[in-house]
Amino acid sequence: QKEVEQNSGPLSVPEGAIASLNCTYSDRGSQSFFWYRQYSGKSPELIMSIYSNGDKEDGRFTAQLNKASQYVSLLIRDSQPSDSATYLCAVRGSARQLTFGSGTQLTVLP
Amino acid sequence: DTGVSQNPRHKITKRGQNVTFRCDPISEHNRLYWYRQTLGQGPEFLTYFQNEAQLEKSRLLSDRFSAERPKGSFSTLEIQRTEQGDSAMYLCASSLHTSGPANEKLFFGSGTQLSVL
Repeated sequence: QKEVEQNSGPLSVPEGAIASLNCTYSDRGSQSFFWYRQYSGKSPELIMSIYSNGDKEDGRFTAQLNKASQYVSLLIRDSQPSDSATYLCAVRGSARQLTFGSGTQLTVLP
Repeated sequence: DTGVSQNPRHKITKRGQNVTFRCDPISEHNRLYWYRQTLGQGPEFLTYFQNEAQLEKSRLLSDRFSAERPKGSFSTLEIQRTEQGDSAMYLCASSLHTSGPANEKLFFGSGTQLSVL
């Protein structure tokens, strides 16, 4: 079992729709959770962080965390073509470094 | 530019050669990380420093890889006797670590794309 798992996609949504990205992790001691966006050929860019169970909203982005289920998700409301990218889930577990999932490729269709 | 800076952006080398990459972190950040990323995969942890001390290395890291961070500022990653399997994007990230909750955030540089022929 991978430490951080994501659906690889690709995930396609129409412009204006809600995109839902999911991530599960195996280390129950994990404390910090992050979502990075990576455009093709570019480096990862931090877009959300969440540390407590529940929802955290930032503009069109909402991160959701459920530690009991070892599940974290990212919702993108009113999706735009510029949101088309690979979204990486990253988890800081018992080890101090971030462990990344393999990413979900999102395409927003105009 | 106050972000993480990496040089060179691209490196093409022949198998068996040595290569060195440089990373300049955000100036007030005390931690510096090296990751490697191949196509279709997420970044894979290699090693990290707190100030000048190398605190952790991945168990997967070959002895051909070495990293330094003299004086706790910039860092270099050297790969000796490169192999075709070393071809990847090498990413550097920095963060400001303080005591307390583990909410340290990593900020990445643009990466160095290595191609081993």
